[in-house]
This record gives sequence, C-alpha cells and structure tokens, in this order.
Amino acid sequence: AQKVTQAQTEISVVEKEDVTLDCVYETRDTTYYLFWYKQPPSGELVFLIRRNSFDEQNEISGRYSWNFQKSTSSFNFTITASQVVDSAVYFCALSEAEYGQNFVFGPGTRLSVLP
Amino acid sequence: NAGVTQTPKFQVLKTGQSMTLQCAQDMNHEYMSWYRQDPGMGLRLIHYSVGAGITDQGEVPNGYNVSRSTTEDFPLRLLSAAPSQTSVYFCASSYGAGQRSYEQYFGPGTRLTVT
Repeated sequence: AQKVTQAQTEISVVEKEDVTLDCVYETRDTTYYLFWYKQPPSGELVFLIRRNSFDEQNEISGRYSWNFQKSTSSFNFTITASQVVDSAVYFCALSEAEYGQNFVFGPGTRLSVLP
Repeated sequence: NAGVTQTPKFQVLKTGQSMTLQCAQDMNHEYMSWYRQDPGMGLRLIHYSVGAGITDQGEVPNGYNVSRSTTEDFPLRLLSAAPSQTSVYFCASSYGAGQRSYEQYFGPGTRLTVT
C-alpha cells in the first residue's frame, strides 16, 4: 500500500533561516513518482517538483532544493534563506506506476515564516 | 489557456440536497480527477478518469458520482449531501493515463458547506 508521511504538522521560522520539510513514503512498486506542491494562503495548489524513482540526483531551483534518498524512502525539501512569501502549506505526494496518475498525498506541513 | 476551472467557488447546501460541481480544462489532458481536502488529512482522491467515457473510484467515492462525456469536462455530483461532505474540493488534470506519472494541474477549488 502506498503512504506518505509528513511528520511535521507546523513549522515556524524567522525570515532568512533555512528550513527543511520532511517527507517519508511507503511503496511496494519499483517505479514511482514523487511530487511537492505548495498551497499558499490563497488556497490554490502550485506544483513545485516531480521526481521519478530512477533518478536520485538532488535538485536545486533557486532557494529550493530537494534531497531524494531511496535508502531511507525520503524526499525532503529545503528552503534556503526563507522569505515571508514562503509561508504556505506544503504537500508531498506519491504515485505508483501500477496506479498511473492516482496520487496519494501526505497530510501537509504548514510553514510560517515570520518577519 | 484558462487551465483548470471550477464552479462554483463557494456553496452551502442543506442535508439531503444534491448538486453538481463543475470542472473543465482546456489543455487537452487525458487524465482528470477530483480530490477533497480536509484539515490534517491532505487531499484524498474521490474519482478519476483516464479519458472520455472512462471513470473509476478513488479512495473516498461514497456519496459522489462522476461522468466524463468529453475530454474537457469532468463534473462531480453529490447525490444527497451530508455534513461529512463539508470540505474543499479540487479538480485536477494531467497528461498521460499510463504508467508514467506527470504533475497534476489543479483548479482553484470549491468550498462546500453542508448544514
């Protein structure tokens, strides 16, 4: 069965601090995909990154970086030098090849960046 | 491109009433889905469709019906509303209906309250 855990319910940091959001997943499939989405206070869901299970390279996009480790079934997300605009709920999601596009979402981590 | 559109944005229903949440996309995506978002639970899949004329159940289908007569539209019907269906509903679409999973594009959401 597929499952995504985001153990951090809420995190507060002060602007310019670095913050890491944890994501741990469970799957029996060897082919799967991992995603991160951002949900700002306005409520829309914004796609951030997609990673497949065969690509363990870490990725950096500006202040955002992602660390994918199959050995620990984790796909963690780090924001460097956080800004107030980073305040949002962040969701990690998993899809297995067997189930095609059907995503399983984690419960989300609410990040508050204080000025 | 309008992307994924949903109507209405807000709705209040009385217990036992029925209604249809509308969803449309103009990206010619094969895959469309409906999720509900409840506090602390992330997003859960209600129903999905891998193409016109094809629908299937997700994790929490009870009390909901869907149909997909065109590629563009994927309405969600609440048959007899219950307070447990109070939630925020998101429609999403993406490329692909096979085993390669792509990011889903989400609509702005419909906030439904059942009294």
